[in-house]
Amino acid sequence: GAGVSQSPSNKVTEKGKDVELRCDPISGHTALYWYRQRLGQGLEFLIYFQGNSAPDKSGLPSDRFSAERTGESVSTLTIQRTQQEDSAVYLCASSLSGMGAYEQYFGPGTRLTVT
Amino acid sequence: QQQVKQSPQSLIVQKGGIPIINCAYENTAFDYFPWYQQFPGKGPALLIAIRPDVSEKKEGRFTISFNKSAKQFSLHIMDSQPGDSATYFCAASSDYKLSFGAGTTVTVRA
Repeated sequence: GAGVSQSPSNKVTEKGKDVELRCDPISGHTALYWYRQRLGQGLEFLIYFQGNSAPDKSGLPSDRFSAERTGESVSTLTIQRTQQEDSAVYLCASSLSGMGAYEQYFGPGTRLTVT
Repeated sequence: QQQVKQSPQSLIVQKGGIPIINCAYENTAFDYFPWYQQFPGKGPALLIAIRPDVSEKKEGRFTISFNKSAKQFSLHIMDSQPGDSATYFCAASSDYKLSFGAGTTVTVRA
């Protein structure tokens, strides 16, 4: 079956511009997660959705970052006024349910480069 | 702060060797410990996972050893192959949130 998909795969933007990153989770997965992976580093948790609500936004690094999820499917991560330190791979994952640590399935990521 | 510490940062083994990656944690509430494998340009994929009520789990050539009292766990790759060359991440969770180690890049030479 189809896995988690993300678009675009690569995004180059100028400092100060806004960007939107999209995630299509596996159909039927109620939980959705966003992570950031800086070069050579582990995954940094950003936000968790259960259905359309986001009970944990604690990982969002600043108020320039926001995310939404509609229809218990697609999620969009928006970064406003991008900075060079935002350059990273942004990974989305989904799972059947949030609680109970069900297996998280990851998408291929969006590589964001801020010039 | 990093909740899961992973070592080494990288390692190189010959084909057939046994790379060993170690992780340590502090949060005793963690009750799920997965390992992920990541190839360049791809997202991480779950390799194997363990709960703290067992000390060892094997799946194919991959084995997790878990030491609850020491709060440590490790991944062994038996009879390693060049195709196992990837970055491996350990992680830990107590509910929905996975805390990841920094990753270990494993290179298996033919």
